[in-house]
Amino acid sequence: GNSVTQMEGPVTLSEEAFLTINCTYTATGYPSLFWYVQYPGEGLQLLLKATKADDKGSNKGFEATYRKETTSFHLEKGSVQVSDSAVYFCALSSQGGSEKLVFGKGTKLTVNP
Amino acid sequence: GAVVSQHPSRVICKSGTSVKIECRSLDFQATTMFWYRQFPKQSLMLMATSNEGSKATYEQGVEKDKFLINHASLTLSTLTVTSAHPEDSSFYICSAYEPGLPSYEQYFGPGTRLTVT
Repeated sequence: GNSVTQMEGPVTLSEEAFLTINCTYTATGYPSLFWYVQYPGEGLQLLLKATKADDKGSNKGFEATYRKETTSFHLEKGSVQVSDSAVYFCALSSQGGSEKLVFGKGTKLTVNP
Repeated sequence: GAVVSQHPSRVICKSGTSVKIECRSLDFQATTMFWYRQFPKQSLMLMATSNEGSKATYEQGVEKDKFLINHASLTLSTLTVTSAHPEDSSFYICSAYEPGLPSYEQYFGPGTRLTVT
């Protein structure tokens, strides 16, 4: 079945540091890929998505590129802020929003001033 | 944007009682709603998928008689935890999908923290 393997944290960085959170997946066909963010005490928010190979999703300075050859969707940000402290989930869906999401285990990011 | 609410946000109940959690799409009609469960410091696991007017489809290992899901309208789905036990304590999150919204996106509610004493 489909699965997502995500870099386990926690990850602690200083403000303005570079962030990479690794995510690889196993799926049949051509899944859609997502990064969700969960701030403390809140629900999940979609951060970015990509629906086909070589697509780059981007939002709020975060980027991730759908790499089919390496089955990866790594999240990057060039300069993190304290406000980026949250838990980040990589996820996939086999047929887009109408199908269930399979999540990675989440990576907790803490950014210190 | 599309907003999904959940009620209550927190609930404490005694072992053996039942508790109902509501999930509402506030500004769109959700043909499909999903219920997830999140254990502390762990990922979200899908419990069931519900389509309006149809019986819910449960994931393997989820007790359908214990976790009753009803999707009676295009804006409301409910999850009832029957005869709750302490091991049912968890964070329950719903999400909703509507084909007319931007593709490939589910909208998540803020979650409900259930504590069974």
